[in-house]
Amino acid sequence: QQQVKQSPQSLIVQKGGISIINCAYENTAFDYFPWYQQFPGKGPALLIAIRPDVSEKKEGRFTISFNKSAKQFSLHIMDSQPGDSATYFCAASSNNYGQNFVFGPGTRLSVLP
Amino acid sequence: KAGVTQTPRYLIKTRGQQVTLSCSPISGHRSVSWYQQTPGQGLQFLFEYFSETQRNKGNFPGRFSGRQFSNSRSEMNVSTLELGDSALYLCASSLAQVAGELFFGEGSRLTVL
Repeated sequence: QQQVKQSPQSLIVQKGGISIINCAYENTAFDYFPWYQQFPGKGPALLIAIRPDVSEKKEGRFTISFNKSAKQFSLHIMDSQPGDSATYFCAASSNNYGQNFVFGPGTRLSVLP
Repeated sequence: KAGVTQTPRYLIKTRGQQVTLSCSPISGHRSVSWYQQTPGQGLQFLFEYFSETQRNKGNFPGRFSGRQFSNSRSEMNVSTLELGDSALYLCASSLAQVAGELFFGEGSRLTVL
C-alpha cells in the first residue's frame, strides 16, 4: 500500500502557540485521511478526518489542510494547550481497503505551560 | 456505551509459545481490525474482519491469525512467538464497511522473553 511520511518526529510548542504536523502519501487511491491522537497507555482516538473532495476541514482548534495535487495533508492545532501533549498519527486508507489504514510514524507533541 | 475491550491487558510469554488475544467491539460494530504497535515500526495493520469474514490482511507471517465470532467479538492468535513479536496489539472496531472512524481499545501489551 506504500507508506505515509510524517514530520516532524517531535515538536515542542509554547502554550497558546500553533502546532503544525505534516504528512505526505504516495498512493493516489487513498481517499480518507484521518488524524489520531494517542496518550500514554491509551489507544489512538480519532481527532479529525478529511476526504479529498475538500481542501480544508476545521473542528474547534483543529484544522486539516489537504493538497491533493501535492499528495500532502497537515494538522494545525491552534491555541495549543498542555492537555494537547500527546502523540499524533496521520493515516490514510481507501474505501477499497476497508479499515486497512497506513499510519505515519507519529509526532510527539509537547506543549509547555 | 461501552468502548472496545481488550483482554488481557498485559502478558508475558517465552519464545516458542503461542498467545491468544481477545477483543470485544462496541455494540453494533461489525468490523474489527487488529494493529501491531511497536516503537520501531509504528502502527501496522494485521487484519480486518467483517461479519466473521476476513476482509483484509496485512503483511505479517502466517503465525499471526485471527477470527471473528457471530457476536462480532474477535480473537487473534500468534503461534511460535519470537522476541520481535513483543508489541502493543490494538483492536479497533468500526461501524462502517468502508474506510471510516476506528475506535481503538487500550491494547494488549505482549512481552516475549
